[in-house]
Amino acid sequence: DTEVTQTPKHLVMGMTNKKSLKCEQHMGHRAMYWYKQKAKKPPELMFVYSYEKLSINESVPSRFSPECPNSSLLNLHLHALQPEDSALYLCASSQVTGRTYNEQFFGPGTRLTVL
Amino acid sequence: EDKVVQSPLSLVVHEGDTVTLNCSYEVTNFRSLLWYKQEKKAPTFLFMLTSSGIEKKSGRLSSILDKKELFSILNITATQTGDSAIYLCASDTGGGSQGNLIFGKGTKLSVKP
Repeated sequence: DTEVTQTPKHLVMGMTNKKSLKCEQHMGHRAMYWYKQKAKKPPELMFVYSYEKLSINESVPSRFSPECPNSSLLNLHLHALQPEDSALYLCASSQVTGRTYNEQFFGPGTRLTVL
Repeated sequence: EDKVVQSPLSLVVHEGDTVTLNCSYEVTNFRSLLWYKQEKKAPTFLFMLTSSGIEKKSGRLSSILDKKELFSILNITATQTGDSAIYLCASDTGGGSQGNLIFGKGTKLSVKP
């Protein structure tokens, strides 16, 4: 299995809702990432998990809460989002060799709309 | 501040043309430079470059890195309409050991029949 999968593909939520985005990979990668991508912009890193531990949090608001239950799964819990949080949320994973992080492979993304 | 700059931002060519996409970077703890192709959704990995002067090839695509001048190019020969996409360049800033990618704004390539 050489894919990163994400669910759901699309999500529409209100500002008071709580929802979760899910990401899964079975390539044995030990680093997993969440990115946010607005229209016509490049992806922006949000979180990095390395060996199931949060290693980078790029000053993301607390209404986004990541979770890494095991080495294959990565969740992003959403609560009290704002309309400007509407974007494509991309998950990625990479192999880690020693202290080297190899190329990242991206999932298809979740298109999030906040009303 | 670390940054990655791509040029041109958009490019329109005809099938069969050869194109060169440019990427320059200013990164404090450079580890590698990566190229991705993004069509409708997920960026698809193309190349990772770590050493200067060594060309990487995959079919009609090739890329090379110049660590002295801090840039990379992506070449596509005999372009096809299926090459139409946004091509993203990213630098892994390392920052110790984390895979912290900083992306350029991308080059939008349109290949007309």
